[in-house]
Amino acid sequence: DSGVTQTPKHLITATGQRVTLRCSPRSGDLSVYWYQQSLDQGLQFLIQYYNGEERAKGNILERFSAQQFPDLHSELNLSSLELGDSALYFCASSHGTVAEAFFGQGTRLTVV
Amino acid sequence: TQLLEQSPQFLSIQEGENLTVYCNSSSVFSSLQWYRQEPGEGPVLLVTVVTGGEVKKLKRLTFQFGDARKDSSLHITAAQTGDTGLYLCAGASWDKVIFGPGTSLSVIP
Repeated sequence: DSGVTQTPKHLITATGQRVTLRCSPRSGDLSVYWYQQSLDQGLQFLIQYYNGEERAKGNILERFSAQQFPDLHSELNLSSLELGDSALYFCASSHGTVAEAFFGQGTRLTVV
Repeated sequence: TQLLEQSPQFLSIQEGENLTVYCNSSSVFSSLQWYRQEPGEGPVLLVTVVTGGEVKKLKRLTFQFGDARKDSSLHITAAQTGDTGLYLCAGASWDKVIFGPGTSLSVIP
């Protein structure tokens, strides 16, 4: 158990819909990272938050947004969903701004 | 754009054999991590290397960071079926972590 909790574990939704994925980082970790993993793209960095502020952006689509709340949990919002958004979405946390990351179990999103 | 390449992409070996997988980049990283991921699970951190030329051992796994901090290798001695999984390297710079595509290892009994 990495100490990082992601909910839900599975999500099935229709195209055009909006979903919210939730992540609780390890106790004491200030950084939260979001990643997307699909079969053909590997593990792609989406965005990082550090202590409530956006720290770095990767290949995150404009339809996607995230935030980190004062209690350090984070949410990833995916809107206007397309079939190609189907993937595993991982959250990871670390103590510092860039350090070893500890991953949650992931949310498997299926868009139908 | 920082990119990490890993080779080989796939590797299938017999139990008891030795193997080495590689992680290469044209960029310098402040640190490099190796992770192992099993299907449907999140990657699990194995090790972090920070200093150029550094060698770290974790039981049968030996990790080396290149002198220039651009590449790394993972050597597994006497592979076991439990070593099966996707091995990912990740390079960290000041603001983000970049993952390689991974090496999928299958150890056959």
